[in-house]
Amino acid sequence: SYVLTQPPSVSVAPGKTARITCGGNNIGSKSVHWYQQKPGQAPVLLIYYDNGRPSGIPERISGSNSGNTATLTISRVGAGDEADYYCQVWDSVTEHVVFGGGTKLTVL
Amino acid sequence: EVQLVQSGAGVKKPGESLKISCKGSGYSFTNYWINWVRQVPGRGLEWMGRIDPRDSYISYSPSFQGHVTISLDKSITTAYLQWSSLRASDAAMYYCTRMGREYTSSFGFHDYWGQGTLVTVSS
Repeated sequence: SYVLTQPPSVSVAPGKTARITCGGNNIGSKSVHWYQQKPGQAPVLLIYYDNGRPSGIPERISGSNSGNTATLTISRVGAGDEADYYCQVWDSVTEHVVFGGGTKLTVL
Repeated sequence: EVQLVQSGAGVKKPGESLKISCKGSGYSFTNYWINWVRQVPGRGLEWMGRIDPRDSYISYSPSFQGHVTISLDKSITTAYLQWSSLRASDAAMYYCTRMGREYTSSFGFHDYWGQGTLVTVSS
């Protein structure tokens, strides 16, 4: 089955840019979606189809996908961005949903 | 307004049965799949399976096949996740989500999530 690999944690200073990666075999050929989960809350869709933003998601949050790595980029990071972030794809071979293991973003 | 409202927390003993629910509203229920996602405390998201309200087709993750049952009642726009015999390892938060069917603009991702149902299994 398809596997998505995320770093367990990423740390960034306030006002800087955070980049969270999601690795998978030829992931660039798939559509990648990202979710944010704050403590005690349900996940929220952040990015769909690699770089689409749902209504209400600010432009400082963006996504890219190429080769074997997809990346979620959060610019001008603030304390409110501290959360767990998950990538996800649809595996067309098995017709199953696949989630990455999640990355905890810490704002220093 | 699209909403997925889940049933309340459940406390059960190992071996007992449980059925939790997820009611969709504010959209055409048959146009979107309902998925179930598990999250063990302190761990990541695990996809359990999905059901198509149009024809009740169900797909399970191999990790959960045979241990849980997904179903729905289209007449009341509600999906269900049930266990016939709970284990201690089933203790987790369970989320239902909405996903567009294939060949739609919202295919492949979970655009709305329920608030979660916490299942506690303890003797």
